[in-house]
Amino acid sequence: DGGITQSPKYLFRKEGQNVTLSCEQNLNHDAMYWYRQDPGQGLRLIYYSQIVNDFQKGDIAEGYSVSREKKESFPLTVTSAQKNPTAFYLCASSIPVLNQPQHFGDGTRLSIL
Amino acid sequence: AQSVAQPEDQVNVAEGNPLTVKCTYSVSGNPYLFWYVQYPNRGLQFLLKYITGDNLVKGSYGFEAEFNKSQTSFHLKKPSALVSDSALYFCAVRDSYSGAGSYQLTFGKGTKLSVIP
Repeated sequence: DGGITQSPKYLFRKEGQNVTLSCEQNLNHDAMYWYRQDPGQGLRLIYYSQIVNDFQKGDIAEGYSVSREKKESFPLTVTSAQKNPTAFYLCASSIPVLNQPQHFGDGTRLSIL
Repeated sequence: AQSVAQPEDQVNVAEGNPLTVKCTYSVSGNPYLFWYVQYPNRGLQFLLKYITGDNLVKGSYGFEAEFNKSQTSFHLKKPSALVSDSALYFCAVRDSYSGAGSYQLTFGKGTKLSVIP
């Protein structure tokens, strides 16, 4: 079955440490997205990519970085510059057409030790 | 610019009763509207979308949504609620006047639906 796989499901970060969240899709979608979800705040866009080797900042990109070297993969690095990284992180993908929905993975919950 | 509002943080409904989860939107062009459901510690699941045409859209699990252009609303409905419908529901919008090549969705803050047995 096609879908989006996020790993790990739970992740713990120490002070001053960078961590990388994995997102892989086998839906053959060109566009991929990273969102941060905090209670009561809905989803906020961190980064998005509409094609391989290209990505754009979203609304809250500070303290995060991404790469898009392969169509199937869009890893997110939470750097030590992100002072409040505790959140639920969601990866999504879509066909880049206006009337198409985004499809989501099951998320990674990041906590600070 | 595109925006979406879900005016209710929480909706409680008795099992078997009809349910409505409200959503209003603002766009510059024509709206593309979506509803998603999220269960605890899971990702968002797509329920239904409005693109154009019939104002009543039918989706997964017996849900439907009514598009009202004059009220800029897209409320989610179900004739008879189930306990298993208890979850977090998100409305999302995309503007047909989005910047070139931009396919971003803007999400509401979510409404927690509790169906009481």
